[in-house]
Amino acid sequence: AQSVTQLGSHVSVSEGALVLLRCNYSSSVPPYLFWYVQYPNQGLQLLLKYTTGATLVKGINGFEAEFKKSETSFHLTKPSAHMSDAAEYFCAVSGSNFGNEKLTFGTGTRLTIIP
Amino acid sequence: DAGVIQSPRHEVTEMGQEVTLRCKPISGHNSLFWYRQTMMRGLELLIYFNNNVPIDDSGMPEDRFSAKMPNASFSTLKIQPSEPRDSAVYFCASSPRGTGGSYEQYFGPGTRLTVT
Repeated sequence: AQSVTQLGSHVSVSEGALVLLRCNYSSSVPPYLFWYVQYPNQGLQLLLKYTTGATLVKGINGFEAEFKKSETSFHLTKPSAHMSDAAEYFCAVSGSNFGNEKLTFGTGTRLTIIP
Repeated sequence: DAGVIQSPRHEVTEMGQEVTLRCKPISGHNSLFWYRQTMMRGLELLIYFNNNVPIDDSGMPEDRFSAKMPNASFSTLKIQPSEPRDSAVYFCASSPRGTGGSYEQYFGPGTRLTVT
């Protein structure tokens, strides 16, 4: 079984500042990890994913995340926030074997950018 | 590619009526997922199919909900009879997952259902 905890349901950062959204996971099998973004009245869009290999993963819009197995974390970062980054962000985990492929989502973090 | 297509985008119905939500996955994808999103419960997986076969329906709330996937390019989620507590945004997602795949899911724009 898998679960995800996102710390902080709301995060506010100033434009140009570092964005850090936290995600911790639990999985009984090697996990696949994902970050999705949801803009108002839209579906979820994949930002980045970790499956195997390099633990630092780069995604779209300048975001990246690092898989840290020892900390069971997959935090999302962006060096410099833009106004267009304001959205809700979801971390998700799935297993890496057949039968564990369904995604389990966190409760989401709403990111607000302060001008 | 057109992406995942859902219809209708908005549905307003009265309690007790039957509601049918439709989804066309991305061509070539062999897994399809139905989710429900509410403020109170967040994003919940209702059911998913692999190669048109239901794999896990443990998230379906009750017998009023049913889902079908008659072929690789079409799926429906039906609520009969509908209740006000079914009001939510329903998302369909598809995945190209095959053996050893990474389970990346592509979401449709959602159907906003309001039951009065």
